[in-house]
Order: sequence, then C-alpha cells, then structure tokens
Amino acid sequence: DQQVKQNSPSLSVQEGRISILNCDYTNSMFDYFLWYKKYPAEGPTFLISISSIKDKNEDGRFTVFLNKSAKHLSLHIVPSQPGDSAVYFCAASEGNKLTFGGGTRVLVKP
Amino acid sequence: NAGVTQTPKFQVLKTGQSMTLQCAQDMNHEYMSWYRQDPGMGLRLIHYSVGAGITDQGEVPNGYNVSRSTTEDFPLRLLSAAPSQTSVYFCASSLPSGAGELFFGEGSRLTVL
Repeated sequence: DQQVKQNSPSLSVQEGRISILNCDYTNSMFDYFLWYKKYPAEGPTFLISISSIKDKNEDGRFTVFLNKSAKHLSLHIVPSQPGDSAVYFCAASEGNKLTFGGGTRVLVKP
Repeated sequence: NAGVTQTPKFQVLKTGQSMTLQCAQDMNHEYMSWYRQDPGMGLRLIHYSVGAGITDQGEVPNGYNVSRSTTEDFPLRLLSAAPSQTSVYFCASSLPSGAGELFFGEGSRLTVL
C-alpha cells in the first residue's frame, strides 16, 4: 500500500511552458515533503522541499504547493527548459526516513 | 569533493551467490541509508543507520544485511542473491537533523541470473 503516489508516470511539455507534477500521500505524520530530480545513470538530487506547516515554497523556477486537507502536493516548473527533462520523485519524510513516490518522467520539447 | 561513493557500479550474480555493495561518504554525516529503485515503484528503503554501531530495518529488508562500524562506511550485504533482488541500489547520507534532504550516490546496478 503506497503511502506516496505519483499518478502520472510521464509528462511532455513545450519549452517555456509550465510543468505541473502532482503527488498524493496518505500518512498525516509526514513532517516534510520533498522533490528530487534524477537523470539517467545518476543518483537523485534534492530539488526543493516544504515543511508540513507551510503551503508554498519557491526557489527560482521551482515552486512547491502543499494542500494538507487534500493530502496533495504539486511541483510547478516555470518556465520549463530542455535541461529539466528528467525523472522527478516526490518524497515525504518522517525524520530522515523518506518514502518515495513512483516518479514522473518529464520531457521538455525544444 | 567525493560526497557519497558507491562500488561497484555494475554487478552480475548467479542465484545463491553473495556479495557486498560498498558505500562511503566523506561529509561526516551521521545518517546513512540504502534504497532500491525498481520501475514504477520509486525508491524503497532497505536499511538505515543513525550513527556508527546503530542500524535498523526499512521497508524491504529481507535478504539484506548491514553494519556500521565507522561513520564513513555503510556496506550492504546480499546473503544469497535471488532474481527478485535485480535492481538499482542507491546509498544516501544526511545530517541527523536534516529535513529529509539526502545526498545520494550514483547507484549500483545489480543483475541476478
């Protein structure tokens, strides 16, 4: 029973447009939510996070939104660039233990 | 600036063989963990350690063994490899007070025939 789910396995977007990645969770005890980016043959790298007590966090082109009542978070990338093409993992933490979603493969077309 | 280093990067085993995946970090991180990545399932936690001499099980610990004798090293042992253990394995580390921000190695791809 997956506690963190990414229901869209893939997403294709035009360069310059917005990419929206979604993630749902079931465990109310998670204290942080994070997004990781992964290129082929590399380890995941941390992208952005949000505390469970906040509803928005922004870092440059990346914004994460948290809706606790719906147990839903999303990652917005604006504007999307070809270098953003990667697999994105949503994760939720209890301390240092992370539970990951299945990932969304993003393709940004020039 | 090595970060988290995993060896080997690739390995092929026969069913029943044993092996050890090595992980070392040079950031003086107390927390280390092992994940496996399988298609559509994201990364699942195998074992983790909050410091030297302390280890605990994650979500999918069966068939794996770990030890933590130093802060730097956290090897993962496959006791008797099975085809179901074919996967990509990632080691990660972080500060104990971190909000889940893990630093990952490049991964070790294991195939069990």
